[in-house]
Amino acid sequence: EVQLVESGGGLVQPGGSLRLSCAASGFSFSSYWMSWVRQAPGKGLEWVANINQDGSAKYYMDSVKGRFTISRDNAMNSLYLQMKSLRAEDTAMYYCAREASSGSWYYDYWGQGTLVTVSS
Amino acid sequence: DIQMTQSPSSLSASVGDRVTITCRASQSINTYLNWYQQKPGKAPGLLIYAASSLQSGVPSRFSGSGSGTDFTLTISSLQPEDFATYFCHRSHSTPHTFGQGTKLEIK
Repeated sequence: EVQLVESGGGLVQPGGSLRLSCAASGFSFSSYWMSWVRQAPGKGLEWVANINQDGSAKYYMDSVKGRFTISRDNAMNSLYLQMKSLRAEDTAMYYCAREASSGSWYYDYWGQGTLVTVSS
Repeated sequence: DIQMTQSPSSLSASVGDRVTITCRASQSINTYLNWYQQKPGKAPGLLIYAASSLQSGVPSRFSGSGSGTDFTLTISSLQPEDFATYFCHRSHSTPHTFGQGTKLEIK
């Protein structure tokens, strides 16, 4: 059974840092692109970043470039999101998602999410 | 960046109704369009990928169509468990973008 379990969220002050983790199981983690997607309270979905199978390609949404770093450890079946210089507008539920492709790229499995709250 | 405009933003319907949600891309995205369902407090779940392919395990009352810039998600006969929020999504190139969502409520 495919499982994605996020952790590392919490309350952090503006300007602070946080590292999110996503533990993957039930599939060949090193064979898939992975994404982070976030959802502010009561709002829609927003793609944050993604990374290719060996970590050599990484892409970010404009508002997090230079502040967030996506990475992965295929030996540990884990995905990470290092977040620095956090702002109030980064407050959201953060989901990790597996990217699959068959005629389109899509997220076929999602974690349950970890909540990040940026507030003083 | 390619923008996705979803309509309506909310919709009231009854059990048994046929419902259609639309999504329009600001430029052609071929059939690189997916649909997700999200219930309160839960992660989204994939319904349709590549505009019209039904994800395994999703009931056949859900269907998708379209190509280029205009897409639709249709629920042929609403069931009580279908009241949720639906998002379209394009991902062929970064940044991946979502529609703003359609909240489907019970009339």
